[in-house]
Amino acid sequence: QKEVEQNSGPLSVPEGAIASLNCTYSDRGSQSFFWYRQYSGKSPELIMFIYSNGDKEDGRFTAQLNKASQYVSLLIRDSQPSDSATYLCAVRPKLIFGTGTRLQVFP
Amino acid sequence: DAGVIQSPRHEVTEMGQEVTLRCKPISGHDYLFWYRQTMMRGLELLIYFNNNVPIDDSGMPEDRFSAKMPNASFSTLKIQPSEPRDSAVYFCASSPHSSYNEQFFGPGTRLTVL
Repeated sequence: QKEVEQNSGPLSVPEGAIASLNCTYSDRGSQSFFWYRQYSGKSPELIMFIYSNGDKEDGRFTAQLNKASQYVSLLIRDSQPSDSATYLCAVRPKLIFGTGTRLQVFP
Repeated sequence: DAGVIQSPRHEVTEMGQEVTLRCKPISGHDYLFWYRQTMMRGLELLIYFNNNVPIDDSGMPEDRFSAKMPNASFSTLKIQPSEPRDSAVYFCASSPHSSYNEQFFGPGTRLTVL
């Protein structure tokens, strides 16, 4: 079992819809969780991070953490074509990244 | 402000050759990270430094890989000898002490070993 797992996708959603990206992790000792966005041919950029169970909102983005079930998700509201990218989940303290989910938002 | 700078942006070399990748972190950042990204394995942390000191090199794949940070503004990742399976994009990232979790990535070096 991989330490951080993500569905590779692509996840296709229409413009204006909610995109839901999921990530599971195996280490119960994981303390903090990160979502990065990576456009094709570019470097990753941090979208948001979460430490505590529950939801954390930042603009159109909401991160959700459930430590008991060992998953973290990212919701993107009002998806735009510019959101089309690969989304990487990462967990600390070991700084392990998932292989990413490719999101496609079509007009 | 300039972001993280990496050079070269592309490197093509032949198996057995030495490869040196360079990174200049953002001024004032205390942490520097080296990552490797491939389609199969995703983004992997190779090593990271705090105040120029290597803290965790457990991700370095084997003795052919070495990294140094002689000062706060420069780091190198060296592969000697290089092999085709080392072909990947190598990213350098830095972060400030005050916001350790927010890593700023450089543009990456695409390495191809023939």
